[in-house]
Amino acid sequence: DGGITQSPKYLFRKEGQNVTLSCEQNLNHDAMYWYRQDPGQGLRLIYYSQIVNDFQKGDIAEGYSVSREKKESFPLTVTSAQKNPTAFYLCASSPTGTYGYTFGSGTRLTVV
Amino acid sequence: AQKITQTQPGMFVQEKEAVTLDCTYDTSDQSYGLFWYKQPSSGEMIFLIYQGSYDEQNATEGRYSLNFQKARKSANLVISASQLGDSAMYFCAMRAIIQGAQKLVFGQGTRLTINP
Repeated sequence: DGGITQSPKYLFRKEGQNVTLSCEQNLNHDAMYWYRQDPGQGLRLIYYSQIVNDFQKGDIAEGYSVSREKKESFPLTVTSAQKNPTAFYLCASSPTGTYGYTFGSGTRLTVV
Repeated sequence: AQKITQTQPGMFVQEKEAVTLDCTYDTSDQSYGLFWYKQPSSGEMIFLIYQGSYDEQNATEGRYSLNFQKARKSANLVISASQLGDSAMYFCAMRAIIQGAQKLVFGQGTRLTINP
């Protein structure tokens, strides 16, 4: 079945370490997105990519980096520059020009 | 700027009652789309219903309907005959074109609790 796979589901890291969250889709969608969710809050856009080898900053990009070397993959790196990295991270994808957004099951990152 | 407002942080409803979750939006675009998602405690985002700005009829999907009032910029979700499994966070979102790219803008969410 087609979908989005995020791994790992839970991730623990020490403060000051970079960590990379994986997002893979087999839906042949052009666009991919990363969102951050804090407890009791809505989703905020970190980065998005409309096409391979191109991506743009969202509303809260500071302290994060991404790459889009393949259509299927859009990994997110949480760097040591991100001051409050503990959060729930959701990846999504959509075909260009339609409203068919698909979300992954999320990665819960805890920095200790 | 595009914005979604959900004014109900929490709602408590008796099982089998209908419930309305409020959503207002702000946009200057003529073409836009409105979504409702359900997020259970597991964290996944489950798509419930969609309404396009040019759709004249309110969208319906099973027990879910969207009360779309364009002039008031309102897109409330109505759940009929609520069930215990409806307990979750509910998010209203708007598809917006920002700097040439399509994005989803989310509200803060409403936590719905269904009591037996």
